Amino acid sequence: AQTVTQSQPEMSVQEAETVTLSCTYDTSENNYYLFWYKQPPSRQMILVIRQEAYKQQNATENRFSVNFQKAAKSFSLKISDSQLGDTAMYFCAFVLGSGTYKYIFGTGTRLKVLA
Amino acid sequence: DTGVSQDPRHKITKRGQNVTFRCDPISEHNRLYWYRQTLGQGPEFLTYFQNEAQLEKSRLLSDRFSAERPKGSFSTLEIQRTEQGDSAMYLCASRRLAGHTDTQYFGPGTRLTVL
Repeated sequence: AQTVTQSQPEMSVQEAETVTLSCTYDTSENNYYLFWYKQPPSRQMILVIRQEAYKQQNATENRFSVNFQKAAKSFSLKISDSQLGDTAMYFCAFVLGSGTYKYIFGTGTRLKVLA
Repeated sequence: DTGVSQDPRHKITKRGQNVTFRCDPISEHNRLYWYRQTLGQGPEFLTYFQNEAQLEKSRLLSDRFSAERPKGSFSTLEIQRTEQGDSAMYLCASRRLAGHTDTQYFGPGTRLTVL
């Protein structure tokens, strides 16, 4: 069975600074995808960034980038130039590239950006 | 895309009552998922539909839970004889058939409180 672990329940960062959120996962499969989702307070989950396991190149989306270490089964999210609007719960998710494509989520990291 | 919508956004009920939630996926998405999110946890998979067919159910989905997706459009999730342990956020997500088929788009959720 696949598992996802987020070991940082809470983090804070000063506005304009850089922060890295950690995620590790466990699987014996090779075909899978990894995601970071953002869940602002009382608002719906929004996709932040997506990584295909077969791609060695790390995904980037504006201020968001990942460090994907397949051998180590690590998938961290780096947020550069943090903004107050980045304050949210961040969930790491794993999905196999076949079957139902159901997500397996970590327990989340609550990020607070300080003014 | 108009986004995934869920109704109601909040539901308070007494133990033993039945409740029903509705999810309207993005119109061209033929795959629909239900997840449950309890406080301090990431969402957990409940069930999955491809068109009108329910293809997988989690062990979390006890006999008191039933989900339907008539005509492959909107979906309903019913909980009979609610218990306090059913209190959670119920999330619906959908994904498309083409393009990034691994990516799910989430609704705002229905927060259920069982007194």
